[in-house]
Amino acid sequence: ELKVEQNPLFLSMQEGKNYTIYCNYSTTSDRLYWYRQDPGKSLESLFVLLSNGAVKQEGRLMASLDTKARLSTLHITAAVHDLSATYFCAVESGGYQKVTFGTGTKLQVIP
Amino acid sequence: SAVISQKPSRDICQRGTSLTIQCQVDSQVTMMFWYRQQPGQSLTLIATANQGSEATYESGFVIDKFPISRPNLTFSTLTVSNMSPEDSSIYLCSVVAGIVYNEQFFGPGTRLTVL
Repeated sequence: ELKVEQNPLFLSMQEGKNYTIYCNYSTTSDRLYWYRQDPGKSLESLFVLLSNGAVKQEGRLMASLDTKARLSTLHITAAVHDLSATYFCAVESGGYQKVTFGTGTKLQVIP
Repeated sequence: SAVISQKPSRDICQRGTSLTIQCQVDSQVTMMFWYRQQPGQSLTLIATANQGSEATYESGFVIDKFPISRPNLTFSTLTVSNMSPEDSSIYLCSVVAGIVYNEQFFGPGTRLTVL
């Protein structure tokens, strides 16, 4: 059974600081997703990582994938308040297109 | 990408009743997925719905409690039957679509409160 773990579960950081969210998973992956969820809202797709060594950046967020270590990271650079949200990683595995979600990381950026 | 709509967006229901949630996609897709997100929790897959066949349920979810229909390639329904307060959650449908590569898209969700 695929297990996906994120850490930290909760992150409070000051504006302007850098931090990394980690996503570990237990089996081989077909692809890995990062999503953002604002309170009361659905999921917004941030990144889709398809292969080992993939790195994608959008604004202050950068995601990477190491399939050998079964690890993905979401790096936040110079955080701003608007980044406050819950971030989920999700792993698609087994060729069935269904994904397993991580526990989520609730990010709070303090002005 | 795929544009997904869900109805209703939210509802408050009495225990023992049932609610049917609709999911409409703007393009034809092979598989649709139904997820549940309990308050403050992550998302858990309920079932995978293929057109023309019975849905495949994940461990802990059964057809009698969550019957699913998939009459065509753009539409699906999820019914939450004989509801209890523990069923209070956000229910989301999702599809896999894409031009360059497949990716998973989510609907806006249905927020269900059971009293």
